[in-house]
Amino acid sequence: AQSVSQHNHHVILSEAASLELGCNYSYGGTVNLFWYVQYPGQHLQLLLKYFSGDPLVKGIKGFEAEFIKSKFSFNLRKPSVQWSDTAEYFCAVNEGGGSYIPTFGRGTSLIVHP
Amino acid sequence: GAVVSQHPSWVICKSGTSVKIECRSLDFQATTMFWYRQFPKQSLMLMATSNEGSKATYEQGVEKDKFLINHASLTLSTLTVTSAHPEDSSFYICSARADGDNEQFFGPGTRLTVL
Repeated sequence: AQSVSQHNHHVILSEAASLELGCNYSYGGTVNLFWYVQYPGQHLQLLLKYFSGDPLVKGIKGFEAEFIKSKFSFNLRKPSVQWSDTAEYFCAVNEGGGSYIPTFGRGTSLIVHP
Repeated sequence: GAVVSQHPSWVICKSGTSVKIECRSLDFQATTMFWYRQFPKQSLMLMATSNEGSKATYEQGVEKDKFLINHASLTLSTLTVTSAHPEDSSFYICSARADGDNEQFFGPGTRLTVL
């Protein structure tokens, strides 16, 4: 079974700081990769996804992620965070062409100070 | 994007009662629906996967007799927590996926509190 690791469990930043959240997975085959955000008291929303093609993926709200196959990584980045980015961020992976059952990382709690 | 709804959004019940949670795909046909449980400040734990018209596949450690899942139509799946106890209190989230789609769409979740 595959696993998904998010190395940063808690991140605290000031507004305008740059953000990078790590995500690594263990599956060696074709994968589909996702980043979700969960704002306080709200449901999961898709930030961005990678299925194939350009490994640099741009999502909503200025987020982007880069798929590096050799490193089994899909790190999330944002050049300048805002207070409104305070939320939980989850990386998820499913096996492309398989059952599409996703595996989630344990999440990263991001707090942005104004 | 595709919309998934859940009902109710929150429920409080007495210990020993059963609670049914509905998950609906509003604008697409969901051949597969997933049920998750989320504890505070933790990740989503997949409980089971249900395919329309067949029995759900439960993850290891999830009691299928306690968490009854029905996926009778392409737009509706239900999760029934039977004989609920306080330790069943949690946030239950469903998601849905259309046939051949790589992506799943999440419902807003249901907060269950068992007194």
